[in-house]
Amino acid sequence: GENVEQHPSTLSVQEGDSAVIKCTYSDSASNYFPWYKQELGKGPQLIIDIRSNVGEKKDQRIAVTLNKTAKHFSLHITETQPEDSAVYFCAASMAGGGSNYKLTFGKGTLLTVNP
Amino acid sequence: ETGVTQTPRHLVMGMTNKKSLKCEQHLGHNAMYWYKQSAKKPLELMFVYSLEERVENNSVPSRFSPECPNSSHLFLHLHTLQPEDSALYLCASSQEWGFWEPGELFFGEGSRLTVL
Repeated sequence: GENVEQHPSTLSVQEGDSAVIKCTYSDSASNYFPWYKQELGKGPQLIIDIRSNVGEKKDQRIAVTLNKTAKHFSLHITETQPEDSAVYFCAASMAGGGSNYKLTFGKGTLLTVNP
Repeated sequence: ETGVTQTPRHLVMGMTNKKSLKCEQHLGHNAMYWYKQSAKKPLELMFVYSLEERVENNSVPSRFSPECPNSSHLFLHLHTLQPEDSALYLCASSQEWGFWEPGELFFGEGSRLTVL
C-alpha cells in the first residue's frame, strides 16, 4: 500500500518568512495530492491540492510543487502570518474509484509563526 | 463552520461502558467517513459509507460499530473499549462526483474520547 513520509514534524518561522513542508510517497500510481490544515480544536480543512498532470499550483500565498519522478511534493507558504500557525497534513491517493477512500496521510507538521 | 457537526465534543468512558458518537452533515454530500487521530500518527481511516452503504472497513476492531441510517447522519457505537482507543475521532463527508474526481473532505471538529 501507499506510504507517505512528511518532514519536518515541527517548523518554527518568523512572521514574513517562508515555510516549506515536504512529503514523499511510495506508490508511483498515486496521482492526487491534497494538503490539509488543522487549527487547534478544529478538524482538518483542505487548503490546496494538485494532480499529477501539473508540476505546480498556486493560490495566493500558498503553492504546491510535485516531482513525479522523485515521488515527492512540497507545500510552500510565503509571507507567513500568525494565523498560518497550525498542523499541516499532506496526503496521496490514486484518483478514481472513490479516491478519498484510499487517501494516505502523512503524520503532520506543526507550523508555528512567531510575531 | 464546515457543515459537519459532531457530538459529543468530549467523552470519558470506562472500559465496560457503551456509548455512541454522532455526526451530522448539512452539505448534501453522498459519502461519510470516520477517522481516528492519535498523537504523532497519521490520520487513520476507519469506515467509509457511500450512499449509506459501507464500502470500506480498514480492519477496525469489532468494539467499534458504525451505523449510517441516512446520507446525513453517521454514528460510531463504542463498547468495551481499551485505553489505547483514546483519541480524537473525526467525522468527514464528501461529494463523490465520479470515477476520476475526488471530492474535498469536510471534517467536523472531532470527538475527544478518553477511555479509563
